[in-house]
Amino acid sequence: EVQLVESGGVLAQAGGSLRLSCAASGFSFSTNSMVWVRQAPGKGLEWISYISSSSSKVSYADSVRGRFTISRDNAKKSLFLQMNSLRPEDTAVYYCARAAPLDYWGRGTLVTVYS
Amino acid sequence: QSVVTQPPSASGTPGQSVTISCSGNSSNIGSNYVCWYQHFPGTAPKLLIQRSNQRPSGVPDRFSGSKSGTSASLAISGLRSDDEADYYCAAWDDSLSGYVFGTGTKVTVL
Repeated sequence: EVQLVESGGVLAQAGGSLRLSCAASGFSFSTNSMVWVRQAPGKGLEWISYISSSSSKVSYADSVRGRFTISRDNAKKSLFLQMNSLRPEDTAVYYCARAAPLDYWGRGTLVTVYS
Repeated sequence: QSVVTQPPSASGTPGQSVTISCSGNSSNIGSNYVCWYQHFPGTAPKLLIQRSNQRPSGVPDRFSGSKSGTSASLAISGLRSDDEADYYCAAWDDSLSGYVFGTGTKVTVL
């Protein structure tokens, strides 16, 4: 069974940093691209970052480029999102998902940023 | 603000059909497959349609997808109360080198 479990969501101060993790199981993690998607309160789904299976290609939404860094450890079947210079508008539930298509998703981890 | 737009809401009575539209451009829907997701807040989004019109295993045939040009649509037939959820389309965007999600449509079963 494919499982994706996010962790690391907390209450953080604006300007601070957080590292989210996504633990994968039940599939060949090293051969799949992965993404992070978030949903702010009362808003829709927003793609924020993509990483290819070998980490050779990464991309970011304009809203997080330069502040967030996506990475992965294929040996540990884990995906990460380093979040720096946090802003209140980064408050959201953060999901990791397997690509492509985005067929399996985790249940999300809540990040709350206060000013 | 998303470049892919959906109507904010749609509704129908049990047993009726509902169709949700998804409008993008040549960089996303016009040149890539479209996926559709069903989302209950607080849970993991569920893939309903992949490759614009294919249902993954386990998805009822009440759900169907289509695409034409830079637009796509999701049809739900035989509407049920448990279909009441948020629905999103999504596609890869070649100019962004990332995914774009539609603005989302809340389906209400009257």
